[in-house]
Amino acid sequence: EVQLLESGGGLVQPGGSLRLSCAASGFTFNNYAMSWVRQAPGKGLEWVSAFTNGDTSTYYADSVKGRFTISRDDSKNTLYLQMDSLRAEDTAIYYCAKDRWTTSPAHFDCWGQGTLVTVSS
Amino acid sequence: EIVLTQSPGTLSLSPGERATLSCRASQSISNNYLAWYQQKPGQSPRLLIYVASSRATGIPDRFSGSGSGTDFTLTINRLEPEDFAVYYCQQYGRSPLTFGGGTKVEIK
Repeated sequence: EVQLLESGGGLVQPGGSLRLSCAASGFTFNNYAMSWVRQAPGKGLEWVSAFTNGDTSTYYADSVKGRFTISRDDSKNTLYLQMDSLRAEDTAIYYCAKDRWTTSPAHFDCWGQGTLVTVSS
Repeated sequence: EIVLTQSPGTLSLSPGERATLSCRASQSISNNYLAWYQQKPGQSPRLLIYVASSRATGIPDRFSGSGSGTDFTLTINRLEPEDFAVYYCQQYGRSPLTFGGGTKVEIK
């Protein structure tokens, strides 16, 4: 069974940092692109970042470019999101999502349960 | 970026009825790279449809997708009680990936 388990969320002050982790199991982790998607309270979905296989490219939404860094450790089957210079508008549930594709971000056939990030003083 | 506009915002229907959800893109989506997701309260999204009309694994055949270019539709035939949820479209034809604002299908 494919499983994604996020961790690392919490309360952080504006300007602070957090690192999210997503532990994957049940599939060959390095065969697929992986993404982070967020959802602000009561709002819709927003794609944040992706890490693809093959050429190991990274992709970011303009809203987080330069502040967030995505990475992966294939030896640990784990995806990460380093979030720096956090703002109130980054408050959201952050989902880890498995792509159906390998070499470019596309669409997601498995999602984690999400981890809540709250940016507030 | 490609902006996706979903309509209506809310659809009030009874079990057994047909739901027709629209997703319109601000520019043509290459290769019809459009997906649909279902999200129930307190749950993660679930992939229903990809490449506009292909059902994901385990999705009942009462869910169908259609459309091309800039206009796409998700149809749910004979609504079941478990189908009342929020539905999102998402394009992956061009980076950045973008989602529509969602359509809530509620019980009338």
